[in-house]
Amino acid sequence: DGGITQSPKYLFRKEGQNVTLSCEQNLNHDAMYWYRQDPGQGLRLIYYSQIVNDFQKGDIAEGYSVSREKKESFPLTVTSAQKNPTAFYLCASSIGNRVNSNQPQHFGDGTRLSIL
Amino acid sequence: EDQVTQSPEALRLQEGESSSLNCSYTVSGLRGLFWYRQDPGKGPEFLFTLYSAGEEKEKERLKATLTKKESFLHITAPKPEDSATYLCAVQATQGGSEKLVFGKGTKLTVNP
Repeated sequence: DGGITQSPKYLFRKEGQNVTLSCEQNLNHDAMYWYRQDPGQGLRLIYYSQIVNDFQKGDIAEGYSVSREKKESFPLTVTSAQKNPTAFYLCASSIGNRVNSNQPQHFGDGTRLSIL
Repeated sequence: EDQVTQSPEALRLQEGESSSLNCSYTVSGLRGLFWYRQDPGKGPEFLFTLYSAGEEKEKERLKATLTKKESFLHITAPKPEDSATYLCAVQATQGGSEKLVFGKGTKLTVNP
């Protein structure tokens, strides 16, 4: 079945440590996105990528980094510079080229990151 | 600033008791409005896209409608399995780039 796979489901980070969240899609979508979800808040965009080897900062990019070396994969690294990383992280994808930019985004089942 | 406001924050219904969820928005250059369902510990599941005022979409017990300022998600004769958080998001054009703005969601609980 086509879909978006996020791993791991749960992740724990120690102080000063970088951690990487995985996101893989087999929907053949061009665009991929990373969001952060905190209790009582709407989803906030961290980074997005419209095409391989290109990505843009979202509203809350500080303390995060991404890469897009393959169309199917968009990993997110939470660096030690992110001082409040505890949250539910969601990866999404969409057909998303300029002509079809109003197509819905489809989400994975998230990674919950906590601080040890 | 583009904003999406959902109300109520939480709603409790008895099984079979129909109701509506509201999503009001203030954005420039609306490109589309999306409804999602999110179960605890899961990612949002896409339900509907609405593109223009007057448009309606239906799926089982759910019906989404759109005006120039708000959207409603009507739930007819809900069942306990309809319990979830329902998210509204608006795709807008801002400064030449596309942006998806999410509301905070309405948590729906349907009691048997």
